[in-house]
Amino acid sequence: QVQLVQSGAEVKKPGSSVKVSCKASGGTFRSLTFSWVRQAPGVGLEWVGGIIINFNTATYAEKFEGRVTITADESTSTVYMEMSSLRIEDTAVYYCATDGPGAVFDYWGQGTLVTLSS
Amino acid sequence: QSALTQPRSVSGSPGHSVTISCTGTSSDVGGYDYVSWYQHHPGRAPKLIIYDVSQRPSGVPDRFSGSKSANTASLTISGLQAEDEADYFCCSYAGSFTHVVFGGGTKLTVL
Repeated sequence: QVQLVQSGAEVKKPGSSVKVSCKASGGTFRSLTFSWVRQAPGVGLEWVGGIIINFNTATYAEKFEGRVTITADESTSTVYMEMSSLRIEDTAVYYCATDGPGAVFDYWGQGTLVTLSS
Repeated sequence: QSALTQPRSVSGSPGHSVTISCTGTSSDVGGYDYVSWYQHHPGRAPKLIIYDVSQRPSGVPDRFSGSKSANTASLTISGLQAEDEADYFCCSYAGSFTHVVFGGGTKLTVL
């Protein structure tokens, strides 16, 4: 049973950056793949990107390529999602989740609300 | 606008059944047997209830079942209980480039 605990809510200004963390416990971190998914108000869920811990390889949805960086710290079993050049429409709840074969999101974090406000 | 189409809301009485549809295309739902469903109570982490179209993770009651026909997947909840009231969203693998697409979510109300 994997548990994912995310960092707290953030309020940011347009043009700035945000870095959200997701600490895993209860599983073998190196064997896991993680994805970040967001849910904006009134909009469905969107896959942002993911990272395969064993290969330290990150992939991103085309929409976020160049603006998002996903990294991992094995020493603390923590995955990070950093988004830059933030826009009002990036206001959303950002979730981390473990990503199994067939894109099955077995376990989810509690979500981190990122609010953009000028 | 979500890639997969779900009804915005469904409702049913306790003990009855409801079915939630999830319509995609041959590039996602119709192309792979990798549809999953999640239950989401607001403010809590989403929970996986169906994967690979019809498989249930351990601990998920067999009142929850999934199926697929062509480009439409379905989640059926039988013997509705009050605690089933939640948002439900579907997800499909969509190939190595897109990875996944999601439905817009369906709010289930237990009357």
